[in-house]
Parts: sequence; C-alpha cells; structure tokens
Amino acid sequence: DSGVTQTPKHLITATGQRVTLRCSPRSGDLSVYWYQQSLDQGLQFLIQYYNGEERAKGNILERFSAQQFPDLHSELNLSSLELGDSALYFCASSVGDEDTQYFGPGTRLTVL
Amino acid sequence: GQNIDQPTEMTATEGAIVQINCTYQTSGFNGLFWYQQHAGEAPTFLSYNVLDGLEEKGRFSSFLSRSKGYSYLLLKELQMKDSASYLCAVRVKTGANNLFFGTGTRLTVIP
Repeated sequence: DSGVTQTPKHLITATGQRVTLRCSPRSGDLSVYWYQQSLDQGLQFLIQYYNGEERAKGNILERFSAQQFPDLHSELNLSSLELGDSALYFCASSVGDEDTQYFGPGTRLTVL
Repeated sequence: GQNIDQPTEMTATEGAIVQINCTYQTSGFNGLFWYQQHAGEAPTFLSYNVLDGLEEKGRFSSFLSRSKGYSYLLLKELQMKDSASYLCAVRVKTGANNLFFGTGTRLTVIP
C-alpha cells in the first residue's frame, strides 16, 4: 500500500458524459501527478500540481481539467467523454518533484 | 521529445537471472526509475539511478550509463510472483521535473 488513495475504483459511463476522479496523496506529499494508461500503452503523463498550483502539463486534452485543493487532494475532471478515453487513470504523489513518485491503485474508466 | 525503448516481452525460468534493458534519448535527463506493475494494479517503485553505476537492492539491481543512454534492471533468483511488467521511466527537468515512461517489458516467469 503506497499511501495514495483514489476513488472510485471503477467507473462506467456513456459517451458525452462528465466524470470526476479523486486522489488523496500520501501524508506530507505536496506534489500530485495524473497519468493515463490505455490498453497496451505506457503511462502517459497528464498534469502535475504542487501545493495547490499547476506545475506542469503533459498530454492532457482540453476536455480534461484538474485541480488541487487546500487539503492537497486532487480531482481530475473528464468531460465530453469518448470511447477512446477508456483507460486506467493513476494518481501519484511525491514530497517535491525531485522525489520518488508513489502511485495510487488507479481508477478504471469504461466509456460505453 | 523523449524516446524510451524496452523489449516488449521476456520469458525466464524460476530461480534464474534476467536482465531487462532500457535505452533512452532525452534532453534534460535527471534520473532513471524502474517500477514493477502487475496487471491492472498500480506501478510500485523498485529503484532509482541518477549517477552512473550499479544500485543493488536485495534481489533487484539497476545499472545506469548516462553517456550511452542505457540502463538495465537485473532480477536474481526469479520467483513466480516476479511475473509482471517492468517500466523504465526517465525523469526530465524542463522547468519542473517530469517522468516519461517506456511502454514496459512484460516478464513471464515459468517453472
């Protein structure tokens, strides 16, 4: 158990809908990262927050957005969902961005 | 951009030693990580190299050569539970530090 928690574990929804994924980092970690892992693809970095501020952006679509709240938990919002958005979404956290990232158990999103 | 290459699949025998290679081409290199990922589960941290040389941690060792853009993960005394994907990730500093992952090497350990 890495100490990073994610909810929900599974999510099934329809095309065009909007969902919110939630992540709580390990105690003491200020950085939160979101990744997408599609079938047979590597982990794709989406976005990073540090202490409430956006720090870096990767391959995040405009339909996706995220934020980190004062209690350091983070939410990833996915809207206008398409079939291709079906994937595992992982959150990771670290003390700072020079430190090792520890991953949560992931949310499996299925878009029908 | 970042280019990270690993073999897609490997098979090895229980009790044996296996070496998983990773080559990378990147700018702003700031460290290399290995993670283990069982199917459908979270990646778990195995090792980290930022300087050239070998880092040993129990049955797992990782090597880095920055001049060659090359790393390997060595797994000794293989156990059935080592069947998993092994992800090579390069940390790149372009403003912030970010991890870029290879597609992973799926290792199957056979009796």
